[in-house]
Amino acid sequence: DGGITQSPKYLFRKEGQNVTLSCEQNLNHDAMYWYRQDPGQGLRLIYYSQIVNDFQKGDIAEGYSVSREKKESFPLTVTSAQKNPTAFYLCASSTRINTEAFFGQGTRLTVV
Amino acid sequence: AQKVTQAQTEISVVEKEDVTLDCVYETRDTTYYLFWYKQPPSGELVFLIRRNSFDEQNEISGRYSWNFQKSTSSFNFTITASQVVDSAVYFCALSEYLNAGNNRKLIWGLGTSLAVNP
Repeated sequence: DGGITQSPKYLFRKEGQNVTLSCEQNLNHDAMYWYRQDPGQGLRLIYYSQIVNDFQKGDIAEGYSVSREKKESFPLTVTSAQKNPTAFYLCASSTRINTEAFFGQGTRLTVV
Repeated sequence: AQKVTQAQTEISVVEKEDVTLDCVYETRDTTYYLFWYKQPPSGELVFLIRRNSFDEQNEISGRYSWNFQKSTSSFNFTITASQVVDSAVYFCALSEYLNAGNNRKLIWGLGTSLAVNP
């Protein structure tokens, strides 16, 4: 079945540690996105990538980093520079022509 | 600036009632897309519909229907005969161009939380 897989579903991190969230898609989509969701704030775009080896900052990129070495994979690293990392993180992908984005199941990150 | 407003933060209905979720948007683009997504308690966003700015026909899919009116910049979503399984947060979104490469960025509303009670 085609889709987007995010792992892990739940992640706990100690303050000061970097952590990487995985996102893999087998939909053959060119574009991939990372969103952050906080209660009452909707979805906010962190980073996006239109093609392999290219990515752009979204609205709230500070404290995050990404890579796009393969078409299928777009991992997000939450660095210790992110002041308030506890949130629900959603990965999505879309084709270049069609515009609807398809989402993974999300990763809930908690800083302890 | 592009913007999506979902004025209803929470709605509670009793099963079998009809319910309409409102979405009002602002854009300077002449060509744009509008979307509805459903987010059940599990967290994954589920794509429901895409509508482009040139197509103002209403759409019906089972118990779901959408009313797109450019004159009022609205794209409302109606669930007929609601069921408990419809309980979720529903998001309306508007696309805008990222750059000349034809990829788009979604502008999201804050969502409407729908509770359908038995």
